[in-house]
Amino acid sequence: EPEVTQTPSHQVTQMGQEVILRCVPISNHLYFYWYRQILGQKVEFLVSFYNNEISEKSEIFDDQFSVERPDGSNFTLKIRSTKLEDSAMYFCASIWLQETQYFGPGTRLLVL
Amino acid sequence: QQQVKQSPQSLIVQKGGISIINCAYENTAFDYFPWYQQFPGKGPALLIAIRPDVSEKKEGRFTISFNKSAKQFSLHIMDSQPGDSATYFCAASPSGSARQLTFGSGTQLTVLP
Repeated sequence: EPEVTQTPSHQVTQMGQEVILRCVPISNHLYFYWYRQILGQKVEFLVSFYNNEISEKSEIFDDQFSVERPDGSNFTLKIRSTKLEDSAMYFCASIWLQETQYFGPGTRLLVL
Repeated sequence: QQQVKQSPQSLIVQKGGISIINCAYENTAFDYFPWYQQFPGKGPALLIAIRPDVSEKKEGRFTISFNKSAKQFSLHIMDSQPGDSATYFCAASPSGSARQLTFGSGTQLTVLP
């Protein structure tokens, strides 16, 4: 069964550093998402991406965040200058049309 | 208005029992209501979903009950098994499932053997 993959599985970085989280969505999917989950809390929407542009974003997704689909397979989330409060599990998800959002296994980001 | 409120926060059930998790929403634009199951260290996985044109949907041991007038929906797990022990999230999105999901706060279910 096709699945969403994410790399790395864990990332440790120093505050103020840039990080790039990578996702490979399911191949024929059209919509792509990033969500985050702070430890022990609920999953929160960050951004959705369709047709090579952002379609929705939340208040969390400020100027420090950006997304990109650099080629036909990868979907990336960049955090320009990480803060302690960016420590969380980051999930990528993808969907074909009006169907299930499939989530990847996540990247655990720890900002020191 | 965007919130989805979920209860209880944690639930302990004996093997073979019924697990019931409840969610409520305010935003009447929500029209897609999935339930996700999450095991530790894994991403959320869709369990079952419903749209407001039906009041109930059943898939195996899992049933969603939906009350549009009360803006509430619930997950029932029949014959709960220890393998069902996980965190369950309700969610909602407006105008179809391609829109952003708003998640509830999660329910940690423990099924005792």
